[in-house]
Amino acid sequence: GAVVSQHPSWVICKSGTSVKIECRSLDFQATTMFWYRQFPKQSLMLMATSNEGSKATYEQGVEKDKFLINHASLTLSTLTVTSAHPEDSSFYICSARVSSYYEQYFGPGTRLTVT
Amino acid sequence: AQRVTQPEKLLSVFKGAPVELKCNYSYSGSPELFWYVQYSRQRLQLLLRHISRESIKGFTADLNKGETSFHLKKPFAQEEDSAMYYCALRGPSGNTPLVFGKGTRLSVIA
Repeated sequence: GAVVSQHPSWVICKSGTSVKIECRSLDFQATTMFWYRQFPKQSLMLMATSNEGSKATYEQGVEKDKFLINHASLTLSTLTVTSAHPEDSSFYICSARVSSYYEQYFGPGTRLTVT
Repeated sequence: AQRVTQPEKLLSVFKGAPVELKCNYSYSGSPELFWYVQYSRQRLQLLLRHISRESIKGFTADLNKGETSFHLKKPFAQEEDSAMYYCALRGPSGNTPLVFGKGTRLSVIA
């Protein structure tokens, strides 16, 4: 089946620094990738949708300048948390799909801790 | 506005008992409905989608448009069913991202 990987799986960074999270579709080309955020014991909240070669579409309330998303190829999307603060600590999950009809496949998630 | 409601945060049942995880939705039109499952320390994975009308691992879900519900059912719970279950929807033909409910943790007691 289709596999989505994320790197790193866990990262700790200091407040004020930036951190980049990679999301890759390993055995398929993903025209669309999604980034979700999950707080402990809570649901997945969609942050943004990105189509390859286009600017990401952010959900209401998500700061574009803080959460930079790049979808430069059909197999790679990156989420950069800029000037991280402790409140950005969370579990970030990416998801990818081939096209609109198809299933969304999920990565294993990246746990970000900002100290 | 689109919304998925899972009223139960936690559901505990005994092994062999029937299970029903509730899901209600709000959507203007005809959405696609899904159930996703997340086992401990594993990624989210698709369990069912309503258009497939399949039974996966003994689970079934019927879309009731009149009640705007998509409850997940299994006649006899197994210990390995213990997991977090999320109901989700997206627009017809998949033209919008998945929107998730808050999830229900199912605990099957031996």
